[in-house]
Amino acid sequence: DSGVTQTPKHLITATGQRVTLRCSPRSGDLSVYWYQQSLDQGLQFLIQYYNGEERAKGNILERFSAQQFPDLHSELNLSSLELGDSALYFCASSVQGSSVGTEAFFGQGTRLTVV
Amino acid sequence: SQQGEEDPQALSIQEGENATMNCSYKTSINNLQWYRQNSGRGLVHLILIRSNEREKHSGRLRVTLDTSKKSSSLLITASRAADTASYFCATYGGSQGNLIFGKGTKLSVKP
Repeated sequence: DSGVTQTPKHLITATGQRVTLRCSPRSGDLSVYWYQQSLDQGLQFLIQYYNGEERAKGNILERFSAQQFPDLHSELNLSSLELGDSALYFCASSVQGSSVGTEAFFGQGTRLTVV
Repeated sequence: SQQGEEDPQALSIQEGENATMNCSYKTSINNLQWYRQNSGRGLVHLILIRSNEREKHSGRLRVTLDTSKKSSSLLITASRAADTASYFCATYGGSQGNLIFGKGTKLSVKP
């Protein structure tokens, strides 16, 4: 158990809908990362938050947004969903958010299926 | 965009053999990390090697880093069927601290 909790584990929704994925980081970790993993694109970095503030942005679509709350949990919001958004979405946390880098701890992911 | 690129994309070996996976990256790094992912599960951190280190060991794992060639290798010795998984290298990109992964090597160890 990595200590990172993601909910829900599975999500099936229709095109055009909006969903929210939730992540609780490991106790004491200030940094939260979101990744999308699909078969043909590998593990794509979406966005990182550190202690409530956006730290880095990757290949995140404008239809997607995220935030980190004062209690450090994070939510990833996906809207106007398309079939191509079907993927595994992972959250990871680490103690630091600087370029020094420390190991990241991953949740078990949310499998999103858009039908 | 991918920072690291693993090679080969897939590797199939017999139990007891050694498995070597390579990773190349593009920009300067502070450290490079290797992760393992069992099918459909979350990634698990294996080992971190800093830019001033050339080699690091952890159990049956040996990681090397060549910053002049911007490459790293992961060696798993005496592989077991339970080592079957995908292995990813990851680096911190630039000054922002975002952890960037390669596409991974899918390792299959046959009993």
